[in-house]
Amino acid sequence: AQSVTQLDSQVPVFEEAPVELRCNYSSSVSVYLFWYVQYPNQGLQLLLKYLSGSTLVKGINGFEAEFNKSQTSFHLRKPSVHISDTAEYFCAVSPEGYKLSFGAGTTVTVRA
Amino acid sequence: DTGVSQDPRHKITKRGQNVTFRCDPISEHNRLYWYRQTLGQGPEFLTYFQNEAQLEKSRLLSDRFSAERPKGSFSTLEIQRTEQGDSAMYLCASSFKGDLNYGYTFGSGTRLTVV
Repeated sequence: AQSVTQLDSQVPVFEEAPVELRCNYSSSVSVYLFWYVQYPNQGLQLLLKYLSGSTLVKGINGFEAEFNKSQTSFHLRKPSVHISDTAEYFCAVSPEGYKLSFGAGTTVTVRA
Repeated sequence: DTGVSQDPRHKITKRGQNVTFRCDPISEHNRLYWYRQTLGQGPEFLTYFQNEAQLEKSRLLSDRFSAERPKGSFSTLEIQRTEQGDSAMYLCASSFKGDLNYGYTFGSGTRLTVV
């Protein structure tokens, strides 16, 4: 079985400041890893994914994440946030390669 | 193609009533997934189809829930005898084949409120 823990439920951050959202997973097998963003009253949009290869993954909107197998982590970072980055962010794993198991989400609020 | 469409966007129903939601996937996607998202939680897998075949059902999908995908195109999710605990956002997603390397597109969801 696999589970995803997002260590911060809420992250307030000032505009143009960096942000890091933490995600740890537990799995007995290799997994695919994902970060999704959900804006209010919308579905989920893929930010980035790790399938194999380089442990540093770059995604859309200036986000990047680093896969750390020894620490079973997949933390998401952005060096400078904008007001438009205010949203809920979900980390997800997929050992099987077709269905996703999501964390509980981290709400990011960007303030001017 | 405008992506994955879900209808209705919002549904309010009285406890005990039946409701049906529709999902239209991206036309060339042969896999279709249903997820449920309750307030403050991440989405949870319910079921998925490859073409018209329902290949897996989560234990979350009680016998009051039924999903269909006739002809491998759109899908419907029906909830019979709704309960307040069914209140949630129901998300549909589709993908080409089962490999997440091909991408996985979500719809905007149907928000169900059972009163």
